[in-house]
Amino acid sequence: DGGITQSPKYLFRKEGQNVTLSCEQNLNHDAMYWYRQDPGQGLRLIYYSQIVNDFQKGDIAEGYSVSREKKESFPLTVTSAQKNPTAFYLCASASSGANVLTFGAGSRLTVL
Amino acid sequence: EDQVTQSPEALRLQEGESSSLNCSYTVSGLRGLFWYRQDPGKGPEFLFTLYSAGEEKEKERLKATLTKKESFLHITAPKPEDSATYLCAVPANRDDKIIFGKGTRLHILP
Repeated sequence: DGGITQSPKYLFRKEGQNVTLSCEQNLNHDAMYWYRQDPGQGLRLIYYSQIVNDFQKGDIAEGYSVSREKKESFPLTVTSAQKNPTAFYLCASASSGANVLTFGAGSRLTVL
Repeated sequence: EDQVTQSPEALRLQEGESSSLNCSYTVSGLRGLFWYRQDPGKGPEFLFTLYSAGEEKEKERLKATLTKKESFLHITAPKPEDSATYLCAVPANRDDKIIFGKGTRLHILP
């Protein structure tokens, strides 16, 4: 079945460490997105990519980095520069121009 | 600035008690309004897309409607399994961003 796979589902890290969240899709979608969700804050856009080897900053990109070397993959690195990284991270994808997002199951990052 | 506002933030209803959730938007040249359902600890699931004022979509006990400034998600005779957070989203006017509201947490009491 087609879908989006995020891993790991839960991740614990010490303060000051970089962590990378994986996002893989087999839907043949061109566009991919990373959102962060905090209680009461809704979904806030971190980065998005419309095509391979190209990506744009969202509304809260500071402290994060991404790459899009393959159409299927859009990993997110949470760097030590991110001041409050503990959150629920959601990856999504969409067909070009469609705007309907398919989401992964999410990754919950806790920084101790 | 493109913006999506949802109300109320939270809603508790008795089973069978119908109500409506609101999503207002300030995006010129609307290119679709999207409703999603999110269960705790999971990713959102797509429910409906609406494109033009007057359009309506239905799925089981849910009906989404659209005007020029807002959308409503009507829930008729809800059941406890309808409890979830309902999110509204629109594509931004000038770029490829998709903007979400903060959601409405719906709790249906048996």
